[in-house]
Order: sequence, then C-alpha cells, then structure tokens
Amino acid sequence: EPEVTQTPSHQVTQMGQEVILRCVPISNHLYFYWYRQILGQKVEFLVSFYNNEISEKSEIFDDQFSVERPDGSNFTLKIRSTKLEDSAMYFCASTSVSRSSTDTQYFGPGTRLTVL
Amino acid sequence: AQTVTQSQPEMSVQEAETVTLSCTYDTSESDYYLFWYKQPPSRQMILVIRQEAYKQQNATENRFSVNFQKAAKSFSLKISDSQLGDAAMYFCAYRLRNRDDKIIFGKGTRLHILP
Repeated sequence: EPEVTQTPSHQVTQMGQEVILRCVPISNHLYFYWYRQILGQKVEFLVSFYNNEISEKSEIFDDQFSVERPDGSNFTLKIRSTKLEDSAMYFCASTSVSRSSTDTQYFGPGTRLTVL
Repeated sequence: AQTVTQSQPEMSVQEAETVTLSCTYDTSESDYYLFWYKQPPSRQMILVIRQEAYKQQNATENRFSVNFQKAAKSFSLKISDSQLGDAAMYFCAYRLRNRDDKIIFGKGTRLHILP
C-alpha cells in the first residue's frame, strides 16, 4: 500500500539554525499539508499546498517557515532560524483529487525536531 | 470557527471490555467529515475510522464503531473487546468536505488498557 514518507525521523539542531524537513507524498496525490504537534499537545495545522502554491496557512506559519515542492516528488518544510519553541513533531500529509477518492489525508510517520 | 472538544484527557479499560471515547464539535457547516485517529507511542498518526456527515449510518471498522449524532454534534468512538495494542492517544478530528481543507484535531484522550 502506498504511504507518505518523511526524513529524517529525528533532527537535532541548534537555535538559530535552518532546518529542512522532507516528505515524499503518495505519488498520485496533489494536495499536501504540514502539521505540528508540540509534545503533549494537539496536532495543529500549519499549511496546505496545491498546484505549487500555498492554499492556506495558519497563524503559526510565519515568515520563518516556507514550503516547496522542488522536484515533483518531494515536499519540504523549511524553518529559517529555529527557535526553542519550534521543537515538535512535524507531520506531512497528502490527499488525492480523484472523484472516486475517499478524501482521506494520509499522514507520514513524522519528523521529531529538537531545537537546543 | 470549527472546534473539536474531547473532554476526557485519560481513560482506562480492562482488556476485553468495551470503552467509549467522547467527542463533540462545533461547526455551522453541513457537509464535512469526522475522524478518529490513533497515535501510539511511536507518535505516528493512524486513521481508525471516518464518518461522512451526510451519512446517517454509523461507521464501523471491525472492533471500532462510532455513534454519530449530527444534531447534537457528537461523535463518540466505541472500542469493543479492548486489546493491549489499543493503548494509545486517540484524537477526534473534523474536516470540511473540500479537497484541500485542513483537519482540525481535538486535544486527545489517552487510553490505557489494563491487563
């Protein structure tokens, strides 16, 4: 069964450094998402992406964040200058546009980001 | 704005027994999906069950079933014959029935299974 993959599984970085989190969505999917879960809290929407542009972003998704689909298969989330409060689990998700689809968002296994 | 509320931060159930997790939501929309996601210690998000709001029939998936009360905006999850592997965080979630709409999650209920 096709699945969403994410790399790395765990990233440790120093405060102020740039990080790029990578996702490979399911191949025939066209809508992509990033969510964040701070430890012990609920999962929060960051951004949705379709047709090479952002569809919607939350107030969490400030100028420090950016997304990109650089090569038709990867979907990346970049944090330009990480802060301690960016430490969280980051989930990528994707969904199909087929009329026969179930509209289910399929989640990747997550990347645990630790900012020191 | 849509919200999802899970009023039970933690619950426990004896192995082989049945447990019900509660969820309420608030929306002014009529066409949407509701979900229950399971998050084991690995923290991966696993879809347990989904319900389309236009369907009156409650969704079932093996030992998992829901009680969907649209008028009351209530969406509870029943787990029958609880197993040790069911121990996890369970999130109730909502999504508008548009292609690119985000999922809104509740705060979760941590389910413990007692052997």
